Amino acid sequence: QKEVEQDPGPLSVPEGAIVSLNCTYSNSAFQYFMWYRQYSRKGPELLMYTYSSGNKEDGRFTAQVDKSSKYISLFIRDSQPSDSATYLCAMSITQGGSEKLVFGKGTKLTVNP
Amino acid sequence: GAGVSQTPSNKVTEKGKYVELRCDPISGHTALYWYRQSLGQGPEFLIYFQGTGAADDSGLPNDRFFAVRPEGSVSTLKIQRTERGDSAVYLCASSPGGGWDNEQFFGPGTRLTVL
Repeated sequence: QKEVEQDPGPLSVPEGAIVSLNCTYSNSAFQYFMWYRQYSRKGPELLMYTYSSGNKEDGRFTAQVDKSSKYISLFIRDSQPSDSATYLCAMSITQGGSEKLVFGKGTKLTVNP
Repeated sequence: GAGVSQTPSNKVTEKGKYVELRCDPISGHTALYWYRQSLGQGPEFLIYFQGTGAADDSGLPNDRFFAVRPEGSVSTLKIQRTERGDSAVYLCASSPGGGWDNEQFFGPGTRLTVL
């Protein structure tokens, strides 16, 4: 079992839909939780990060963390075609004196106009 | 301002050859990371530099892989005796410091294909 599990999809939704993306993890030592967006042939870019259980909102995006269930989610409201990308969850851990990021596989999202 | 740049954007080589991949981080960023992203997978950590020194190289898969950052800026990832399994996108990221609260900014990656 990988430390971070993420359904790779693909996920296809109509424009305006609410999108829910999820990851589960097994390592309780993960401290911080992030969502990255990666367009085709580009590097990942950070969307949101949080470290505590609960919700964090930024515009149309809401990140949710449930540490007791080891489950994180990203919700996208009023999805747009420009949101079409691969969404990667990532978690940070301190190992060997450095902060490492452990990524999920990514979920490929297509928002259809 | 300029982001992280990586060269070449694509590299095709033959099995057994040596390759070098270059990363130019954002100016002033002291932390630099290399990741490998295989098809359909998320990035996997390879090595982390703080300044000129490799603070953590625990992700390098074997001794064919080596990375340097001699002046604390540009970094080169070197792969000897390439194998077909090395085919992947190699991503570089930099951040102002090495802690979690320093966002890692990623370059576009170098797509390596080993024939």
